[in-house]
Amino acid sequence: KAGVTQTPRYLIKTRGQQVTLSCSPISGHRSVSWYQQTPGQGLQFLFEYFSETQRNKGNFPGRFSGRQFSNSRSEMNVSTLELGDSALYLCASSLGESNGQFFGPGTRLTVL
Amino acid sequence: GENVEQHPSTLSVQEGDSAVIKCTYSDSASNYFPWYKQELGKRPQLIIDIRSNVGEKKDQRIAVTLNKTAKHFSLHITETQPEDSAVYFCAPLRGYGGSQGNLIFGKGTKLSVKP
Repeated sequence: KAGVTQTPRYLIKTRGQQVTLSCSPISGHRSVSWYQQTPGQGLQFLFEYFSETQRNKGNFPGRFSGRQFSNSRSEMNVSTLELGDSALYLCASSLGESNGQFFGPGTRLTVL
Repeated sequence: GENVEQHPSTLSVQEGDSAVIKCTYSDSASNYFPWYKQELGKRPQLIIDIRSNVGEKKDQRIAVTLNKTAKHFSLHITETQPEDSAVYFCAPLRGYGGSQGNLIFGKGTKLSVKP
């Protein structure tokens, strides 16, 4: 099976802009989760989508949003970008409850 | 919410020695206990997991032990090799209704294996 893919791999934006990141899960995986990874904060959970519904949400402002489509592909949107949003954004897919996650390569976002 | 702590935050061992990383959690309803390995510049990878009806699981040089009463689980690596050098994360879960639940990762343990 093909692994988790993310596009784009690199992105440079300026403050105030918005950005959309895409994640294609492993075929058959219905759970997609998103994380922000920075050197100082480790892996911070953003949200999880399961069967097109946001099931869980981490402690991030409303500028961070997402959605999941019927084919389980997911998108994450960040509006009104801030310098502190510069990070590696990882998505992971899973069969769901009590199953491990498989991570994509990430999207490196730089906000200038 | 779930509180997850990993100890130690850094660990340096000689090649061939054993390494143990401990993860404590607060949610007594957690029922799935995985460990992930992230090498420098790469994505995290699931290396071993255990479910709450099992006390120990082994896969070649790595093992995970679970103590549900004390709410902690540990990663054991024997005969360490330089390629074991990485950051290791725990992420105890309480899944429900098919979804994973709140996915809180420990802050990671940086393991360095010296040749």
